[in-house]
Amino acid sequence: AQRVTQPEKLLSVFKGAPVELKCNYSYSGSPELFWYVQYSRQRLQLLLRHISRESIKGFTADLNKGETSFHLKKPFAQEEDSAMYYCALRSYNTDKLIFGTGTRLQVFP
Amino acid sequence: DAGITQSPRHKVTETGTPVTLRCHQTENHRYMYWYRQDPGHGLRLIHYSYGVKDTDKGEVSDGYSVSRSKTEDFLLTLESATSSQTSVYFCAISDTGRADTEAFFGQGTRLTVV
Repeated sequence: AQRVTQPEKLLSVFKGAPVELKCNYSYSGSPELFWYVQYSRQRLQLLLRHISRESIKGFTADLNKGETSFHLKKPFAQEEDSAMYYCALRSYNTDKLIFGTGTRLQVFP
Repeated sequence: DAGITQSPRHKVTETGTPVTLRCHQTENHRYMYWYRQDPGHGLRLIHYSYGVKDTDKGEVSDGYSVSRSKTEDFLLTLESATSSQTSVYFCAISDTGRADTEAFFGQGTRLTVV
């Protein structure tokens, strides 16, 4: 079965501090991993996906198949990064898009 | 924003009444999803569709049914609403079944069952 785990419900940091939002997954096949973000009063939107290997708004995420993790990182957090972040998984064998429980990031000035 | 509209945006209903939520898209995307968002549970998949009249269950499908009679509309029905179905409901669409395809989300429907 597909499962995504985000162990932290809330992560609070000060502006300029490094940020790491954890995501672990379980899936026996070869999944695709995503990070979605929901800013206040906005729609949920894609932040980045593993296959693109890109950096968006300073965020990066590396897929570690050995540890089945896809942690989201940013070296210097900004106040505008405050939002709800969801890790998501989609497999090549099913059409389901499964989300984790989400982590709320608060960045204080 | 992708052309996704959810209606209604807010609804209060009584326990035991039927409720239908509508998701309408103008993108001609093949895949459509219904999720519920609850504190501590994140987004949980209720049902999804991979084409007209082709639907399947998600993680939390009990108490919900769906229908998709045309590409642009995906309806979520609560046959007999219960207080545990108080939630924010999100619709999402994606173009293909490829695993790396981005999903686009609606603005959500806040449903309160009293």
